[in-house]
Amino acid sequence: QKEVEQNSGPLSVPEGAIASLNCTYSDRGSQSFFWYRQYSGKSPELIMFIYSNGDKEDGRFTAQLNKASQYVSLLIRDSQPSDSATYLCAVNTRDGGATNKLIFGTGTLLAVQP
Amino acid sequence: SQTIHQWPATLVQPVGSPLSLECTVEGTSNPNLYWYRQAAGRGLQLLFYSVGIGQISSEVPQNLSASRPQDRQFILSSKKLLLSDSGFYLCAWSRTTGNSPLHFGNGTRLTVT
Repeated sequence: QKEVEQNSGPLSVPEGAIASLNCTYSDRGSQSFFWYRQYSGKSPELIMFIYSNGDKEDGRFTAQLNKASQYVSLLIRDSQPSDSATYLCAVNTRDGGATNKLIFGTGTLLAVQP
Repeated sequence: SQTIHQWPATLVQPVGSPLSLECTVEGTSNPNLYWYRQAAGRGLQLLFYSVGIGQISSEVPQNLSASRPQDRQFILSSKKLLLSDSGFYLCAWSRTTGNSPLHFGNGTRLTVT
């Protein structure tokens, strides 16, 4: 069973601080990694993707990937109350077939305190 | 640009009743299509995916079925709903090339009573 693990939280950070969200995965063959943000009662929204080891920055968001450790993280700089949401880590898997399927973690609830 | 439409937004159905949820995608051709379910307080579970018209793969044995009658239309159905079918149902699409991300519709919140 291929898995994606996240700490459910809640992770509470003060406004303006850096929020660090972590994710581990079990499938060594995974090649693409995604972070989604999900507000309560809404559908997930893609915020970052990363394919190569190292860091990828997009505005206040930085995704970090370490394939050797099977670890991916998301940093949110200058956290805002509007960043309060559940963050879902997703990892691709192919199960020997051609279709790109994503396995999701259960998500980490982030609460940014004003 | 691509858009995905999913309806209805909310649905309350009695146990034993049928179900039909529909999803359509605009602005792209031959997408991969997916149905996920998110139970309360739980993660996203992949139910079905499709790589083309009439091609459906089921991920978990269950009370549901899916169909893809047209290239950009994906339907989730059940003949008789169970209480355990309650949840947040999400349709998603992705490109078929490379390691493309999934893009979700707004979801349908189903309550089986």
